[in-house]
Order: sequence, then C-alpha cells, then structure tokens
Amino acid sequence: DAGVTQSPTHLIKTRGQQVTLRCSPKSGHDTVSWYQQALGQGPQFIFQYYEEEERQRGNFPDRFSGHQFPNYSSELNVNALLLGDSALYLCASSLGRTGRLLANTGELFFGEGSRLTVL
Amino acid sequence: QQPVQSPQAVILREGEDAVINCSSSKALYSVHWYRQKHGEAPVFLMILLKGGEQKGHEKISASFNEKKQQSSLYLTASQLSYSGTYFCGTAGLAGATNKLIFGTGTLLAVQP
Repeated sequence: DAGVTQSPTHLIKTRGQQVTLRCSPKSGHDTVSWYQQALGQGPQFIFQYYEEEERQRGNFPDRFSGHQFPNYSSELNVNALLLGDSALYLCASSLGRTGRLLANTGELFFGEGSRLTVL
Repeated sequence: QQPVQSPQAVILREGEDAVINCSSSKALYSVHWYRQKHGEAPVFLMILLKGGEQKGHEKISASFNEKKQQSSLYLTASQLSYSGTYFCGTAGLAGATNKLIFGTGTLLAVQP
C-alpha cells in the first residue's frame, strides 16, 4: 500500500519563476492538504482540497493555487516566486468528512515533501 | 492563533520522562500530536477529541483540558527512537475540517 508520494523531492528556482508541485494521496484517501514548513518552524496550512474543490484556505496570497484531479491527486502552484517561498512543502492526505459539523477527527498522512529553494 | 508549545527543547537520558505542553488562545475541538525526525515527514502520534476520546499511540499518553485549551503529551521511559521534533496541531469548531494549525514545535533529544 503506497503512502503519500510527492514530486519533485528537491528543486531550485529563481525569483519571479513559477513552480508546480505534485502529490498522490494514500490509497483510499480523498482529501489533500498542503503545508509550508520553513526551516525550524511548524508546518503552516496553505489549503485543502476535497472533491476537486478548495475547501479550506490558510493565510497565503493568491500566488498560491492548487488543483485536485478526479483520481484525488493534487498540485500546488506558486507564481512569481519570492525568496521567502523557500521551504519544505508537505502534502498530507486524509479521509474527508461531509456534513454540517466539519470538525476534524482524522489522522493526516504526510509525504516526504518537496524542498523548494528560491535564489 | 498558532498554538504555543513548551518547552522549546529538552534533552533526556534513556528511561527518563518528559512532558510537552501545547496551549491555544482559541476554542478547540481536537488536538493532534505529530513527531518529525530530521529530514523526514511528520508522523501521527495521537488525537484527543473534545469529550475525552483518544486515539493513538500505545506508549505515549496525552491529556486535553478543553476549558483551558491546553494539551500535554507524556513520554514515559523514553527511548532513543523518541528523538525528534514534536508538534501539536489544533482544530477548532467552525467548519475547520482537517485544517490543523501546528504549534511552534518542541525538539526532544534522547541520549544513551
């Protein structure tokens, strides 16, 4: 049973460029969340996708966008890269829950991350 | 809004105990604990739900004080494998499905 897979593992970009990161969730999971982890910091929530729609979003600018495909895999796109975007980008998959009370009760399975360096 | 963890770092000898605290300024529905080893992905340890339900690790326990919006992780008889950075993640009630806000982290080093 494959866990969460992310690609690429490392990449280097220059300021102003655009980057796309990819994530395949754990088998059976339908929800993908993206986190940014700066060196020495805790993961910061970027957004979450469920049923191909952005369901939750953290405090990140519109330069950060995403997509979820019918097979539940997901992409994170960052435009107009800044030096401060250098970080480890983590994808986490889980089972989504619908309903009026959208309170979290699920475990997140994280991928190994994509290390982005912006020069 | 980010939960605050204490201590920031702790060094233990094998077999010693440790407590890691997590405090939030917002009302919580659940608290999650994760451990991240250097260069690796965070790994789930435990979920504590409002109302007292716990799901998680056999050798690690935790408490959740809903009124004080605090949680503590108890590591007893620590092993070398416990070394890593521990993060608490909190989820509030207002439609925040799986939107975890992670804390500042606690670095734990267990020495032989």
